[in-house]
Amino acid sequence: AQSVSQHNHHVILSEAASLELGCNYSYGGTVNLFWYVQYPGQHLQLLLKYFSGDPLVKGIKGFEAEFIKSKFSFNLRKPSVQWSDTAEYFCAVKDTDKLIFGTGTRLQVFP
Amino acid sequence: DGGITQSPKYLFRKEGQNVTLSCEQNLNHDAMYWYRQDPGQGLRLIYYSQIVNDFQKGDIAEGYSVSREKKESFPLTVTSAQKNPTAFYLCASSLPGINYGYTFGSGTRLTVV
Repeated sequence: AQSVSQHNHHVILSEAASLELGCNYSYGGTVNLFWYVQYPGQHLQLLLKYFSGDPLVKGIKGFEAEFIKSKFSFNLRKPSVQWSDTAEYFCAVKDTDKLIFGTGTRLQVFP
Repeated sequence: DGGITQSPKYLFRKEGQNVTLSCEQNLNHDAMYWYRQDPGQGLRLIYYSQIVNDFQKGDIAEGYSVSREKKESFPLTVTSAQKNPTAFYLCASSLPGINYGYTFGSGTRLTVV
């Protein structure tokens, strides 16, 4: 069975700092990868997804992620975070008919 | 607008009682899912259904039951056999196949006292 690891459990940044959240998956074949965000008190929303093609994927709100097959990684990045990016971020991989989620990374951004 | 409705938003129950959480979608999605979210553990799959009248156990199905009598509805029952039922429960739906992500409901927070 596939699995997803998010090693950063809690990240604290100041506004304008750069962000990189790690995500590693276990499966070596074709993968479909996702990043979801959960803002405080809100439902999970899709940030971006990778199916094939250009390994650098751009999502909403200035986020991007890079798929590196050799490293089994799909790290999420943002060049300059804002206070409004405070949220929990989940990486996920699609396993045939269901999503497998990582444990999530809680991001706190201070003004 | 299309979406997923979970009700109620907050639910309190006494220990030993069964409780049913509602999930309704009007997105015409075939697949529906129930996840449980606990701090530090991410989202763990309870049950999922790819088609009406069929469903499969996820990773933590013990103490839960579901039904899928209609395409739009996928209720989850938390039974008295579930040892740690207090949690945030999320329902999701999607089109079938590997290329589609999920649309999530806003969740139900269940507290068992």
